[in-house]
Amino acid sequence: DAGITQSPRHKVTETGTPVTLRCHQTENHRYMYWYRQDPGHGLRLIHYSYGVKDTDKGEVSDGYSVSRSKTEDFLLTLESATSSQTSVYFCAISRTGSNEKLFFGSGTQLSVL
Amino acid sequence: TQLLEQSPQFLSIQEGENLTVYCNSSSVFSSLQWYRQEPGEGPVLLVTVVTGGEVKKLKRLTFQFGDARKDSSLHITAAQPGDTGLYLCAGAGITGGGNKLTFGTGTQLKVEL
Repeated sequence: DAGITQSPRHKVTETGTPVTLRCHQTENHRYMYWYRQDPGHGLRLIHYSYGVKDTDKGEVSDGYSVSRSKTEDFLLTLESATSSQTSVYFCAISRTGSNEKLFFGSGTQLSVL
Repeated sequence: TQLLEQSPQFLSIQEGENLTVYCNSSSVFSSLQWYRQEPGEGPVLLVTVVTGGEVKKLKRLTFQFGDARKDSSLHITAAQPGDTGLYLCAGAGITGGGNKLTFGTGTQLKVEL
């Protein structure tokens, strides 16, 4: 199994509070991604990174920011959480960006009340 | 935005039955991946198909990429309870980098004894 750790695994927070989710990899893969998974929508890309300090927006980036200060860590921040951001968040990694297979973490269940 | 529609959304069958899951789009993809996801875990890659008309077999699973590279199917022969899970297709776009896969909405399969 690819060495991907997401933390926390579960979080309950209140509307308007900031939330940071962490993804840590031990594979030294260049690309890292944050997805959210919601019923009826499948997996949707929030942001991705193609190197340290290099990030770009995905399909559903509004309300989210990311940072990558080290190869192994990719942080997803909800500056002011809203109920619509209640979801399961998955981090994924890939060695290259050329449509190569993704390795996923086990997910973070986030509930915004 | 490239869309991938999967059908059926839900499938409940008895052990030993055969089934087919479909993944359709109006867009052309350079390649298509199939993932399987179990509860509480991230998706795991099953196969990648690249060439139009390509057929790949993985034990009792047969994957086919459409000739026009707009659709794909997954056929399971003699389904077993261990096949239970969420099956996701994901298409890689013709243009654009960053491995921006488009995921289908998923097919939830339950195989009962």
